[in-house]
Amino acid sequence: DTGVSQNPRHKITKRGQNVTFRCDPISEHNRLYWYRQTLGQGPEFLTYFQNEAQLEKSRLLSDRFSAERPKGSFSTLEIQRTEQGDSAMYLCASSLEGRFLYNYGYTFGSGTRLTVV
Amino acid sequence: KQEVTQIPAALSVPEGENLVLNCSFTDSAIYNLQWFRQDPGKGLTSLLLIQSSQREQTSGRLNASLDKSSGRSTLYIAASQPGDSATYLCAGGGATNKLIFGTGTLLAVQP
Repeated sequence: DTGVSQNPRHKITKRGQNVTFRCDPISEHNRLYWYRQTLGQGPEFLTYFQNEAQLEKSRLLSDRFSAERPKGSFSTLEIQRTEQGDSAMYLCASSLEGRFLYNYGYTFGSGTRLTVV
Repeated sequence: KQEVTQIPAALSVPEGENLVLNCSFTDSAIYNLQWFRQDPGKGLTSLLLIQSSQREQTSGRLNASLDKSSGRSTLYIAASQPGDSATYLCAGGGATNKLIFGTGTLLAVQP
């Protein structure tokens, strides 16, 4: 297993276009998270999945954002009608949660840098 | 609502110096606290994970401590090297294990 993989690494799109990012987590991990990071800030939580179920969505995730994790494997994050304010680094992470909410730590991918022009 | 603060925002030290990075959090009901390193334009690399029942973790030249009662964690880096230059982020994990991040400390180690 080579860790968490994110594609593409960079995406430049015109305002109003739709974009989709993919995340392949570590195969044994049951949790998958999406975060967004803007310049000079720490990552902000967007949403997470426990296997295939999306259990929580941040208020940052407007109606233009949708995330899926079919069959509890890879995940996609789609942004519709992109705006300049969507420009950021989108980070995916996975973790293994055991019994009694014990978490074995996060592993992050390298991120997808989105630029909306 | 959990809030995480990191001090200082930036730090420059000469090579070989020992240093401490500080992280404070408002909600002591955290389940774990994790320290990450981020190089410019890159993703996050996990450094140390401290469970709520633990007080510290060590890996090589790094030592992280956790004091839930005071809402503080520190990352100690011994004998700093230019290769340690990066942004260091701390993050607290709650009941759902989503992480709340600080804004990071930008470390520059001068050769």
